[in-house]
Amino acid sequence: GQQLNQSPQSMFIQEGEDVSMNCTSSSIFNTWLWYKQEPGEGPVLLIALYKAGELTSNGRLTAQFGITRKDSFLNISASIPSDVGIYFCAGQRDAGGTSYGKLTFGQGTILTVHP
Amino acid sequence: NAGVMQNPRHLVRRRGQEARLRCSPMKGHSHVYWYRQLPEEGLKFMVYLQKENIIDESGMPKERFSAEFPKEGPSILRIQQVVRGDSAAYFCASSPRRDVNGYTFGSGTRLTVV
Repeated sequence: GQQLNQSPQSMFIQEGEDVSMNCTSSSIFNTWLWYKQEPGEGPVLLIALYKAGELTSNGRLTAQFGITRKDSFLNISASIPSDVGIYFCAGQRDAGGTSYGKLTFGQGTILTVHP
Repeated sequence: NAGVMQNPRHLVRRRGQEARLRCSPMKGHSHVYWYRQLPEEGLKFMVYLQKENIIDESGMPKERFSAEFPKEGPSILRIQQVVRGDSAAYFCASSPRRDVNGYTFGSGTRLTVV
């Protein structure tokens, strides 16, 4: 089946550092999403990308949708302790031309921020 | 507005028992999706339902698992004769339309089979 390969698997950084993680796929996705999950909670949407090449920011977060529709990256600038969590990429692919919200998730990047 | 409500938050079942997981979508949302998350993995799609209809159950195991979304009441994910491998976090998401706009996840039900 379709897979999203997310890297790195984990990151240990100092507060104030910038972070970058990415996601690649062998298949085309029409929408890319980045989520954050904290312990004991469901994923919370950070950024949604709808157009190939699109670059979108949300505060200290910036994400880009690759031009080939097969990859995306997420950057976090000036990290703070509350950035700790698991970050997931997810893609939505049209099913038979009828789009609906079935998502394929990457394996996640575990982010640890040391004060 | 209340978010997507899932209950129970934690569920412990012995092998062979049944597990019933409930999901109340956000107000105005008629599309419900169930996902399973094994420890240290991403979420895996299980089933997509609209009111009274199963639209896509391609991610559901063929046996023991079933889902419904009745006209009235929450969506139910039912696992019969649970086994240890069913231990996971089960998340429900709802949306007002067929696409991902407005897609919101609940906090999940953590199922432990002992």
